[in-house]
Amino acid sequence: GAGVSQSPRYKVAKRGQDVALRCDPISGHVSLFWYQQALGQGPEFLTYFQNEAQLDKSGLPSDRFFAERPEGSVSTLKIQRTQQEDSAVYLCASSFMVTEAFFGQGTRLTVV
Amino acid sequence: QQQVKQSPQSLIVQKGGIPIINCAYENTAFDYFPWYQQFPGKGPALLIAIRPDVSEKKEGRFTISFNKSAKQFSLHIMDSQPGDSATYFCAASIPQGGSEKLVFGKGTKLTVNP
Repeated sequence: GAGVSQSPRYKVAKRGQDVALRCDPISGHVSLFWYQQALGQGPEFLTYFQNEAQLDKSGLPSDRFFAERPEGSVSTLKIQRTQQEDSAVYLCASSFMVTEAFFGQGTRLTVV
Repeated sequence: QQQVKQSPQSLIVQKGGIPIINCAYENTAFDYFPWYQQFPGKGPALLIAIRPDVSEKKEGRFTISFNKSAKQFSLHIMDSQPGDSATYFCAASIPQGGSEKLVFGKGTKLTVNP
């Protein structure tokens, strides 16, 4: 595709439910980032992949959050046992090494 | 700990005005300072970026001014238009592994009235 694609666009989960958010980066982009954006706030870094290697997961807020990129392309962010404080927009970005990071439209997660 | 402080939180100008958004940082390891524009329901899009070895960069109607000694940088939008109404984020990056994790400010909601 022409840009970073994220799915689903919207997700409503009951508290305690597990969710999986998908990111299709721009073809050929080596780097992939996940960010969390709370309402009215700037995006906050969660984790970073270079190809299939997860080089930085320092921003993941708890061990309920898990990300993978097994073949160095598509990535999935999984949140287990969702809590209300997990409600946010989850943004994925990709870049080719040290060039501009392109963001997807995000997945808005609402935990009820 | 907020590493990039952005102000103001919101800004209203008339068409043709020159809104200025300011950011300050503390970590001298930052080496890349982009500005992003975000419309409701969309992801952030890069507007313009600067490296610390340059004091000013201009692209079209957008200008970044950078003051390395003061650890501050700002975005100026010349001849602002209603279509510029959006939320603007400054950011800074820390080099790692060949790519750059971004630390964002909290954003400035700009409204340009016709």
